[in-house]
Amino acid sequence: AQRVTQPEKLLSVFKGAPVELKCNYSYSGSPELFWYVQYSRQRLQLLLRHISRESIKGFTADLNKGETSFHLKKPFAQEEDSAMYYCALSVPLTGGFKTIFGAGTRLFVKA
Amino acid sequence: ETGVTQTPRHLVMGMTNKKSLKCEQHLGHNAMYWYKQSAKKPLELMFVYNFKEQTENNSVPSRFSPECPNSSHLFLHLHTLQPEDSALYLCASSLILAGDAYEQYFGPGTRLTVT
Repeated sequence: AQRVTQPEKLLSVFKGAPVELKCNYSYSGSPELFWYVQYSRQRLQLLLRHISRESIKGFTADLNKGETSFHLKKPFAQEEDSAMYYCALSVPLTGGFKTIFGAGTRLFVKA
Repeated sequence: ETGVTQTPRHLVMGMTNKKSLKCEQHLGHNAMYWYKQSAKKPLELMFVYNFKEQTENNSVPSRFSPECPNSSHLFLHLHTLQPEDSALYLCASSLILAGDAYEQYFGPGTRLTVT
């Protein structure tokens, strides 16, 4: 079965501390993985995808196929990083794709 | 307005009413999606349309009926809903190109309350 697991509902860290939001996936094929973010009163938007290997707003995520993980990391958290973060897996359908989202982790960065 | 728009933003309806949610994308995408977001089950995929064809119905009850007249518009027709259907309904769109899964762009959502 295709599944995305985010074990932490809430993660609270101090400003300047490192942060890691965990994501594990279950999929037999080659995964297409994403992190989406939803800031307060804003719509859900893409943060990064594994295939681009970019660092966005200081965040990085490495795909580990052996551990079936795609954890999101940032070395020094900022208050503006407080938001809801969703890990997502896109799997192919006939003629397209569907995306399976994890339950989300709320990150709270304290001053 | 650019991007993905949804109307109405808020909707209160009785269990015997019939209403429709509308989504429009101005991004030239060829795939559109309906999601349900509630406190109990965040971000459940409901329907997927690729090139106007429905390619996924994620075991959604028949009281929800989607319609995709063209690649820019997506509707969700609602009838005889239950109070547990109260949730935020999100529309999204994406580009399907050369077998690649591009990012999804989300609308602001319609907050639905069933009384």
